[in-house]
This record gives sequence, C-alpha cells and structure tokens, in this order.
Amino acid sequence: QSALTQPASVSGSPGQSITISCTGTSSDIGNYNYVSWYQQHPGKAPKLMIYEVTNRPSGVSIRFSGSKSGNTASLTISGLQAEDEADYYCSSYTTTSTGVFGTGTKVTVL
Amino acid sequence: QVQLVESGGGVVQPGGSLRLSCAASGFTFSNYGMHWVRQAPGKGLEWVAFIHFDGSNKYYADSVKGRFTISRDNSKNTLYLQMNSLRAGDTAVYYCAKDRSAYSWVISANDYWGQGTLVTVSS
Repeated sequence: QSALTQPASVSGSPGQSITISCTGTSSDIGNYNYVSWYQQHPGKAPKLMIYEVTNRPSGVSIRFSGSKSGNTASLTISGLQAEDEADYYCSSYTTTSTGVFGTGTKVTVL
Repeated sequence: QVQLVESGGGVVQPGGSLRLSCAASGFTFSNYGMHWVRQAPGKGLEWVAFIHFDGSNKYYADSVKGRFTISRDNSKNTLYLQMNSLRAGDTAVYYCAKDRSAYSWVISANDYWGQGTLVTVSS
C-alpha cells in the first residue's frame, strides 16, 4: 500500500493551465478506472473534484478535467483562478480491495 | 443535505483505546459503503478503512490492521472506528467519508466528508 506519487508542488499564473500527475502501479491505477481527485483548502475537509478518472460531480467547474494513461492519472486545471490555490490529492482503488491516496500536490497561483 | 458528523476524538496515552463515531444524515445510510480517512498534522491524506454498505466486508490499511476495527449500525445511521493499541503515529484528524456508489463492492470515490475529529496520542 505505497502512496501514489504526485509532484510536491505545481504553480501557474491566472488563466494558465496546469497538470498534476499521479503515478501508481498495475495494482492500482493501472488496473482500475476508480481514480478520483480531491481539493483541500487549509483547515477544511477534502472536496471531490473528479471520480472514475474523468467524471465531474455536480457543481464542480468544467475547468477541472481528469485523464489516465497506463499507471499514471492526471488532473488538469484550465483557466487557473486564485480560488484554485489548494492541496490536491489523487486516490485509487487497489487489487487488495483497499484505497490509497497520493502524496499530495500544493498548487500555487502566482 | 448530506451530513456526516464525527465525534469521540481526544487525547489518549500510547497503548490506549478510543472509539470514534460518525453520525450520518441526508441519505439512505444503509445503501452506501463508508470510509475512515486520516490526516496527520501537516501531512497528506491516508486511507484507513472501508466497510461495505451492509457491513459484510471490511478492509484496512496495513498500518492499522489488527489494531483498528470499522463497524456500522444501519439502524442508527452511524459508523464507528474502534482504535486499540494506539501509537504516536496514529495522531491525526480522522474523517469519515461516504462512498459515492450505492450497493457497490468496490471503492469508487468519497463524495461527502465530515469535518473531522482530532485524535492525539501522547503521554
């Protein structure tokens, strides 16, 4: 149950697009489409942004999109806004029927 | 609206026990799998445990297996986490979270989260 690997930080200017990667193995991301992404602002509970690789829950901005290739999933934020500054975590189902989160990425809006 | 309210956190000595509760409302609790997720101070999220909608199957992170027990009472719309043999490394905010897929045997995603309850293991 090793954590999925994410870059520690990603930054961009307002209006730009950024992409956060999430690398796992054939025992998690590579084997299932149960990959999700969460946004967490300081002192707050996480918020679901993407589920099952590409799906956005109701109310989540279309600026957020997800994808997957092999053992790596990605979250893209388009038209970066100040309110997007937060920590982001990926998560996946695993072949042992457990869950695993990524190491987390701090997004900074310059 | 969906609400998840955790309780039971506090300060406990190493080796001690604590039971967390999560009161659920706003959805049909018995139809959904439920999770516990924790976050140590200044650290990332760590998945802890998952229980199927009917309580028939339970899964744990290796870090807590054999020490923690997840359970649920569907008649009371409540999720529990019994934590025994607590260690300093268990210090964290513990969140309960709802799985988004009804009647699912797999972990889909956590669509609703509680506000968390802080557990501090210290002498």
